[in-house]
Amino acid sequence: QKEVEQNSGPLSVPEGAIASLNCTYSDRGSQSFFWYRQYSGKSPELIMSIYSNGDKEDGRFTAQLNKASQYVSLLIRDSQPSDSATYLCAVNMDDSWGKLQFGAGTQVVVTP
Amino acid sequence: GAGVSQSPSNKVTEKGKDVELRCDPISGHTALYWYRQSLGQGLEFLIYFQGNSAPDKSGLPSDRFSAERTGGSVSTLTIQRTQQEDSAVYLCASRERALETQYFGPGTRLLVL
Repeated sequence: QKEVEQNSGPLSVPEGAIASLNCTYSDRGSQSFFWYRQYSGKSPELIMSIYSNGDKEDGRFTAQLNKASQYVSLLIRDSQPSDSATYLCAVNMDDSWGKLQFGAGTQVVVTP
Repeated sequence: GAGVSQSPSNKVTEKGKDVELRCDPISGHTALYWYRQSLGQGLEFLIYFQGNSAPDKSGLPSDRFSAERTGGSVSTLTIQRTQQEDSAVYLCASRERALETQYFGPGTRLLVL
């Protein structure tokens, strides 16, 4: 069973601080990794995609990938109340078809 | 441009009834996916379409579930003889063949009484 694991949270973060979200995956052959944000009652929206080891930055978001450790993380700098949501880690388990395996998500609560 | 659309947005049905859920992907997107999200859970893959064919149906939970896609566009997910455990949000996503990003529709919230 291919798995993607995340801490469920909630992760409480003061406004302006850094939120750090972690995700591990079981399939060593995975090549594509995604972070989606999901507000309550809404559908997931893509935040970041990462394919190579190292860091990838986009605005206040930084994704980090370490394939040797089968670990991907998301950092949210200068957290805002509008960042309060559930963050889903998704891994492409089959590159030919693009099927995504999702973690259960980490709930982030940014407190003013 | 228009995103992925799904209908209905909400569906309440009685146990044992059949339901049809519709997905209209982004124009030009050849790949289409159905996922299910139960309350407080992550997304569960159901089925993948490339064009009108479904090379991966491995996530369909039982033979009560079926899906089709016509004209390489609209897809319909059908659940026969619904059960209470079918209650969930059913999400559709599409992507361009050459790109990895999947774009999600707003989902259909299904409640089986």
